[in-house]
Amino acid sequence: QQQVKQSPQSLIVQKGGISIINCAYENTAFDYFPWYQQFPGKGPALLIAIRPDVSEKKEGRFTISFNKSAKQFSLHIMDSQPGDSATYFCAATISNTGKLIFGQGTTLQVKP
Amino acid sequence: DAGITQSPRHKVTETGTPVTLRCHQTENHRYMYWYRQDPGHGLRLIHYSYGVKDTDKGEVSDGYSVSRSKTEDFLLTLESATSSQTSVYFCAISGLAPSEQYFGPGTRLTVT
Repeated sequence: QQQVKQSPQSLIVQKGGISIINCAYENTAFDYFPWYQQFPGKGPALLIAIRPDVSEKKEGRFTISFNKSAKQFSLHIMDSQPGDSATYFCAATISNTGKLIFGQGTTLQVKP
Repeated sequence: DAGITQSPRHKVTETGTPVTLRCHQTENHRYMYWYRQDPGHGLRLIHYSYGVKDTDKGEVSDGYSVSRSKTEDFLLTLESATSSQTSVYFCAISGLAPSEQYFGPGTRLTVT
């Protein structure tokens, strides 16, 4: 019940296209859902996060869509650029615990 | 990397030897975390600290211990390293919001 399942494992998108990464969770007590971006040799960087009281959050080209009833959330990267090529991790937690449960990661390659 | 340094950045050690990894922060944040990252597993929480001398176990704590004698330093110790502890170790910190975590650059540990 603590798992977060992420798909796909890898993704190739053309420059200018939309990248979509999906995550699913089981624990209905989770109330904070962040996405992290990681470049090779670097630590994960907090990209965007959402709480279950909203269905969508947008920051620039990055959007989180959240479906509470389905227990799913997804990251959409609009107008994908080669500089977006990285590994993306979703996570979930009960916000006052700080115990993040991460998905397995998605390696995104954006082709020029 | 949000005022976080990790040392060493790379280490090779032999099975059965003790190893200590250090995380140092300059942000005066209350919460500190140790994660390990392995292919196919995302990041998994090892131990965390919610204040000086206050620590608790995470998801994969067996074989690891931690100490925090100062706000700025969080140490992770492998008492007797095993090959299964070969991994990349990340430290993270958070302030008022425990789940909004910022990661350090990582330590790559190889146990031969």
